[in-house]
Amino acid sequence: EAEVAQSPRYKITEKSQAVAFWCDPISGHATLYWYRQILGQGPELLVQFQDESVVDDSQLPKDRFSAERLKGVDSTLKIQPAELGDSAMYLCASSRGRHSGNTIYFGEGSWLTVV
Amino acid sequence: TQLLEQSPQFLSIQEGENLTVYCNSSSVFSSLQWYRQEPGEGPVLLVTVVTGGEVKKLKRLTFQFGDARKDSSLHITAAQPGDTGLYLCAGAWEKKSSGDKLTFGTGTRLAVRP
Repeated sequence: EAEVAQSPRYKITEKSQAVAFWCDPISGHATLYWYRQILGQGPELLVQFQDESVVDDSQLPKDRFSAERLKGVDSTLKIQPAELGDSAMYLCASSRGRHSGNTIYFGEGSWLTVV
Repeated sequence: TQLLEQSPQFLSIQEGENLTVYCNSSSVFSSLQWYRQEPGEGPVLLVTVVTGGEVKKLKRLTFQFGDARKDSSLHITAAQPGDTGLYLCAGAWEKKSSGDKLTFGTGTRLAVRP
């Protein structure tokens, strides 16, 4: 079964440094999501793409976070500069999109620790 | 912001016991999904319920969607240590032409003791 691929799985970075996460969704999936999950809590949506366009980034801290999906396939989430409070799991997910009721599949996540 | 409240937040039970997890919101959802998440892994979809009043069974797990599509419950019969994990409900509502928006609940951490 096809999977959502994410890298790196684990990242330790010093505060004020830049960090980037990559996601390759399931082939053919138009909708791509980036979520942040703090330990012990439910995931929180950061940004949602439909093809290459951002359709929801209302919860993305735009002063330090950016996300792109230039060709409507894979996506990169960047944090610059990283802060201690950014330590969390960053989850990528995808779905066929374009209408309701599509199953959303998650990757294994990228753990970020900011020291 | 649509909020999904789950209860209880933590649950520690003995193997063989039954339990129910609740997911409540003031919002109406087009569908509701339940996920289970192991430590260090991404959430894995258990079930999607779409119709108000719908009941779905997955082996020892029974999922119900409220009639008004605002709430849901997950019932586990004869819990086993392998059921241990974080259970997340997630409500979806349709965004025209841009796929569903999924909002997660606060999570219920279940520990089943042998």
